[in-house]
Amino acid sequence: DVKVTQSSRYLVKRTGEKVFLECVQDMDHENMFWYRQDPGLGLRLIYFSYDVKMKEKGDIPEGYSVSREKKERFSLILESASTNQTSMYLCASRPPGNTDTQYFGPGTRLTVL
Amino acid sequence: QKEVEQNSGPLSVPEGAIASLNCTYSDRGSQSFFWYRQYSGKSPELIMFIYSNGDKEDGRFTAQLNKASQYVSLLIRDSQPSDSATYLCAVTAGNQFYFGTGTSLTVIP
Repeated sequence: DVKVTQSSRYLVKRTGEKVFLECVQDMDHENMFWYRQDPGLGLRLIYFSYDVKMKEKGDIPEGYSVSREKKERFSLILESASTNQTSMYLCASRPPGNTDTQYFGPGTRLTVL
Repeated sequence: QKEVEQNSGPLSVPEGAIASLNCTYSDRGSQSFFWYRQYSGKSPELIMFIYSNGDKEDGRFTAQLNKASQYVSLLIRDSQPSDSATYLCAVTAGNQFYFGTGTSLTVIP
C-alpha cells in the first residue's frame, strides 16, 4: 500500500511566520504535488516536482516555495504566512505513467491568525 | 487554462437509487480521467479511472467516457448513506492533474 504522510494534521501560525509543511511518500514515486483546497475553489496546484531538485510552478505559486532534496520528501514553505493562506493543504505523489492515479496524504489544515 | 467543470450540487438521492455525476473538460488532449470521493475533512480517495471511450464498471460504480463530447460521468447504483461525500472529477495532461470543484452528494436513508 502506498503511504503518503504529512507532518501535521492541524497547524496554527501567526501572520509573518515562516511555515514548513512536509510530505513523505514511501513508494519511490518520481512525481510529487502540493495543492491547497478551499470551499468553492476546489483543488488548486501550488507546485509540483518530477524529480529530486526539480520543481515546476502550478497555478498559484505566489507566496510559496518548495524543496525536494530527497526523492521521498517534498516540502512546502510559506515564506511569510498571511491570513489568505489559511487553507487545507494536500500533498500527493504519483508514479510515472498516464494511467496512474495520485495518492494523497491526509492533509494539513493550516490557520494563519 | 484547462477547465474541468462539475455541477456543484448538492445532489440528493434516496437510498437505493442511482446517483449520476457529470463532468466536462476543455482540453481535447486529456489522456486519463479519474473520479475521487472525498469525505468532509478527509483527503480524496480514488474510486475509478478510465481512459478509453465507453463504460467501465467496478462493483456499484460505473464510469462513462465520451471523448468526442469531452464528457465523463460516474454512476453509483444502489446508493448508500455511506456514499454521501463530495465527488471530484480529474483529468490529466502529461504529469499534471486538473480537478473540478466537486459535486456534493447526499444519500437520504
